Amino acid sequence: AQSVTQLDSQVPVFEEAPVELRCNYSSSVSVYLFWYVQYPNQGLQLLLKYLSGSTLVKGINGFEAEFNKSQTSFHLRKPSVHISDTAEYFCAVRRANSGYALNFGKGTSLLVTP
Amino acid sequence: DAGVTQSPTHLIKTRGQQVTLRCSPKSGHDTVSWYQQALGQGPQFIFQYYEEEERQRGNFPDRFSGHQFPNYSSELNVNALLLGDSALYLCASSLWTGGEAFFGQGTRLTVV
Repeated sequence: AQSVTQLDSQVPVFEEAPVELRCNYSSSVSVYLFWYVQYPNQGLQLLLKYLSGSTLVKGINGFEAEFNKSQTSFHLRKPSVHISDTAEYFCAVRRANSGYALNFGKGTSLLVTP
Repeated sequence: DAGVTQSPTHLIKTRGQQVTLRCSPKSGHDTVSWYQQALGQGPQFIFQYYEEEERQRGNFPDRFSGHQFPNYSSELNVNALLLGDSALYLCASSLWTGGEAFFGQGTRLTVV
């Protein structure tokens, strides 16, 4: 089975500052990795995904993540955050080459203040 | 393309009652997965349907059951509701062969 650990439950940051949201996973098989964002009272929106190839993945809204197989990490970064980035962020893992279900972390709440 | 649609958006039920939630997948998708998201938690996988059969199941009791129809839409049924079943229920659709899962806006279930 695959599992995900999001190391920070809350991350406060000032507007225009850089941010990193940490995610570690464990799995005995090859996996796909995802970051989703959830705004209040809404569903999940995909930010970016790693399936194969380049370990640096760029997503929507200026976010990027780097897949590090040796450290089993998939940290999410943004060089300059906006107030509108305030939301809940979820890291998820899924067995590769399959339609298997996603396993989510508990989420990181990003709070951007002026 | 309407994406993944779920109904209803909100629901209030009494303990012991039964509830049915509905999901229409994104056009072209053949697989539907259901997740339960308790307040302040990440989504927890309930089960997944493909070709009208349950293919995977998470750690949820038999009170949780589902169905997939020939048009790929799906229902989630919960019997004998408990207060702890109060949560946001999310439906996701995808292709069985892999790729991105798209989520609906969810159904907020409150059990009183």
